[in-house]
Amino acid sequence: SAVISQKPSRDICQRGTSLTIQCQVDSQVTMMFWYRQQPGQSLTLIATANQGSEATYESGFVIDKFPISRPNLTFSTLTVSNMSPEDSSIYLCSVEGLTGGGYTFGSGTRLTVV
Amino acid sequence: GIQVEQSPPDLILQEGANSTLRCNFSDSVNNLQWFHQNPWGQLINLFYIPSGTKQNGRLSATTVATERYSLLYISSSQTTDSGVYFCAVATGNQFYFGTGTSLTVIP
Repeated sequence: SAVISQKPSRDICQRGTSLTIQCQVDSQVTMMFWYRQQPGQSLTLIATANQGSEATYESGFVIDKFPISRPNLTFSTLTVSNMSPEDSSIYLCSVEGLTGGGYTFGSGTRLTVV
Repeated sequence: GIQVEQSPPDLILQEGANSTLRCNFSDSVNNLQWFHQNPWGQLINLFYIPSGTKQNGRLSATTVATERYSLLYISSSQTTDSGVYFCAVATGNQFYFGTGTSLTVIP
């Protein structure tokens, strides 16, 4: 079974709507990370999600646009709110230290906003 | 933050050829990983290699932490090796990605 399950794998959404992406981990982890990869670009960290506290957002990302939930140690959601075409990207969740060291990534959500 | 530079940015290989991808980073790190992103966007962990040398089949990697670089070797390349290869480094809990090397292997 997959170590990290992320869904949906892809979606096409209308501008102005919101999409919630889910990430489920097979074991308990302290921190979960959410990344964005814009077309043709590298990955950029959006925020770090700790269970029981507010997520910590990186410069250029705000909670109103990317609200995050972390209800327990195995699950997190990222919502992309009031979407515009500029939000079209791959969104990935990540956790640390599951497979012999380092970070492991979910399979990603390819979002297209039309 | 740490600067991570990868070279070359693009690479086209004939199937069966060998290649070396390079990753330079600007500061001391406690984690370095190489990833392969396939055409579907999935990010596959190739190596966790903050120092030393590792090999996995046709792939191997070497990190010289004191000189702040890492190399990924691909031997006898196959068309399925195509995609983007990312180097990423971490200091503490902050993970920084390089800009990637886009590899195309042609039959």
